[in-house]
Amino acid sequence: EIVLTQSPGTLSLSPGERATLSCRASQSVSSNYLAWYQQKPGQAPRLLIYGASSRATGIPDRFSGSGSGTDFTLTISRLEPEDFAVYYCGGSVPWTFGQGTKVEIK
Amino acid sequence: EVQLLESGGGLIQPGGSLRLSCAASASTFGTYVMIWVRQAPGKGLEWVSTIDNTGGTTYYADSVKGRFTISRDNSKNTLYLQMNSLRAEDTAIYYCAKRAKVELRPGLYSYNMDVWGKGTTVTVSS
Repeated sequence: EIVLTQSPGTLSLSPGERATLSCRASQSVSSNYLAWYQQKPGQAPRLLIYGASSRATGIPDRFSGSGSGTDFTLTISRLEPEDFAVYYCGGSVPWTFGQGTKVEIK
Repeated sequence: EVQLLESGGGLIQPGGSLRLSCAASASTFGTYVMIWVRQAPGKGLEWVSTIDNTGGTTYYADSVKGRFTISRDNSKNTLYLQMNSLRAEDTAIYYCAKRAKVELRPGLYSYNMDVWGKGTTVTVSS
């Protein structure tokens, strides 16, 4: 069983700052199976990044993903007010999610 | 783009049964692999079950195996989740999602959940 561990649990930042979110797998994951999702309060998750680094349709280029093996990163280059949310990394073989990182306004 | 709409949630006593539905807006529903994901109050996302496009192959999380059954009716563009022997720990928002299969480069595929419904809330309590 692959376990995805995200850090930090909460990230307190100001609009305009850079956010770096980490997702570590308990064993090597093929990067094509790693995705990132954003969830705002009261809403369903939304796909941001797939294949570790490809942006989903309509996702702004301030969002980027990177990594391979057991270490993956989601970077938001400059936080916009609408980016404050919870972010989950997810694997697809098998389907699993990290516990989430909350990006909150400092 | 296809839209998904869940229904059927509610308050149910422990040991009871409930059937969730997920209606898809597109006639291409029959080509999609579909997934149920749940989220307990204040918690993260948990994969529950997957069904292939024909309904012939299904997968379940260990936490629901033997109690939940996923199915679909492609003629009605609808996905189902039959939940039996419900427990308090099944309390959650249940989302249906469409699986996307994207070819990153020849022969290399990415799988992800690219369309989600708004969710339906299931509360198991006496």
